[in-house]
Amino acid sequence: AQTVTQSQPEMSVQEAETVTLSCTYDTSESNYYLFWYKQPPSRQMILVIRQEAYKQQNATENRFSVNFQKAAKSFSLKISDSQLGDTAMYFCAFHSGSARQLTFGSGTQLTVLP
Amino acid sequence: GAVVSQHPSRVICKSGTSVKIECRSLDFQATTMFWYRQFPKQSLMLMATSNEGSKATYEQGVEKDKFLINHASLTLSTLTVTSAHPEDSSFYICSAREQSTGSRETQYFGPGTRLLVL
Repeated sequence: AQTVTQSQPEMSVQEAETVTLSCTYDTSESNYYLFWYKQPPSRQMILVIRQEAYKQQNATENRFSVNFQKAAKSFSLKISDSQLGDTAMYFCAFHSGSARQLTFGSGTQLTVLP
Repeated sequence: GAVVSQHPSRVICKSGTSVKIECRSLDFQATTMFWYRQFPKQSLMLMATSNEGSKATYEQGVEKDKFLINHASLTLSTLTVTSAHPEDSSFYICSAREQSTGSRETQYFGPGTRLLVL
C-alpha cells in the first residue's frame, strides 16, 4: 500500500519570501504520479503542480516548483515570492500507474504573513 | 483547465431525510469520478469510486446502502445520502478524472458541498 507523509502540520512565511513544504511517500511501484493540491479557505481543491515519476526534470509552474528526489522518495514544494493568496492547506498526493485513486497526505497549513 | 461543478454548495436538512448531491464535469468527459468526505482540518477521505455505466466501488467502512452513487453519463455523478443523521454532517467533495490519455491521472475537484443534518 502507498503512503504519503507530510510532517509539517503548520508553516508560516513572510510575504515575498520563499517557503518549502515537505512530502515523502512510500511505494514499491515504478510508474506513478505526484501532485500538490492547495485548498484555500473556500475549500476548493486546486491543482498546483504535478510530476511524473519517469521524468527526471523537476516540474515548475510559475512561482511553484518541486524538488523530486526519486531515490529518497521525496517530493517537496517550493513557493517563491509568497503572496497572501497562497495561504491555504496544501496536500501532497500520490497516484500509481496501477491504482485508480489518489492517496493524500495529511496536509500542511501554510499562512503567508503580511 | 478542466472544470468540475458541484450542486448544491450547502444544504441543511432534517434527520431522516435524503439529500442528493450532483457532480458535473463541465468541459470534459469523465469515465471515473470520485467522492470524498472531509472533516474540519483533516485530509480527504475517499468514500467511493464512480464509474460511468457500472456500479460504484466503495471503500472499506462506507455503507453503500446509505451513500448511493449513480454515474449515469460521462459528465454526471450523483451521491445520495439516504436517511441522513447528524453524524453524516460533513463536507463532501467530488472529483473527476479526464478521459483523454494525456491527463488521465489528474483529478479535478468540485467546490464541495457542506451538509448539515439537524
